[in-house]
Amino acid sequence: QSVLTQPPSVSGAPGQRVTISCTGSNSNIGAGYDVHWYQQLPGTAPKLLIYGNNNRPSGVPDRFAGSRSGTSASLAITGLQAEDEADYYCQSYDSNLSLYYVFGPGTKVTVL
Amino acid sequence: QVQLVESGGGVVQPGRSLRLSCATSGFTFSSFDIHWVRQAPGKGLEWVAVISSDGTNKFYADSVTGRFTFSRDNSRNTLYLQMNSLRPEDTAVYYCAKGPGLVGVAYFDHWGQGTLVTVSS
Repeated sequence: QSVLTQPPSVSGAPGQRVTISCTGSNSNIGAGYDVHWYQQLPGTAPKLLIYGNNNRPSGVPDRFAGSRSGTSASLAITGLQAEDEADYYCQSYDSNLSLYYVFGPGTKVTVL
Repeated sequence: QVQLVESGGGVVQPGRSLRLSCATSGFTFSSFDIHWVRQAPGKGLEWVAVISSDGTNKFYADSVTGRFTFSRDNSRNTLYLQMNSLRPEDTAVYYCAKGPGLVGVAYFDHWGQGTLVTVSS
């Protein structure tokens, strides 16, 4: 069972806005550790999408936006496109003994 | 550009050993922490281990502590994951991933393509 929780799936029509939540606890997100997001297209390696809660690496479209509040974070995708269909993972750091780097279970985004 | 290329995966019997390699290029190797992250078939991502830029500090997930050993050769820009006493639950694609090189910052900014390890009799 993951330390961070995400919905298994979200879906939306092209052009719509979808959000993915990532809920943690006082030993990770609530402790002030940053949240990062990764996109994994089918059959490929994960790719950094958002770092430090709300920062986009060079080349990531501004349709992707992250936020963090309290023990939770979220990823919003606006203007959904067919190529956004992928698995999305949140990740943070946990201060509990030996947990270190923790991932959410992943959310499958389906473009209808 | 930054590249990480894993190799060494394959099919191995339970209890046996395997060594993975991660060859890197495109960045100052000795300045960055490097991680291993694995993904079981059809499952999510699981962090496995990290090695500091100078190789002196290593941390492991509970699931592999005592069985896996992470090392690096800064003269060859290459990392190694020695996996002993393999179990069926170690079956996964293993990715090496680069840290951002910032103290106290914990994410993975570049990933390799992964290498598949299958533990089965």
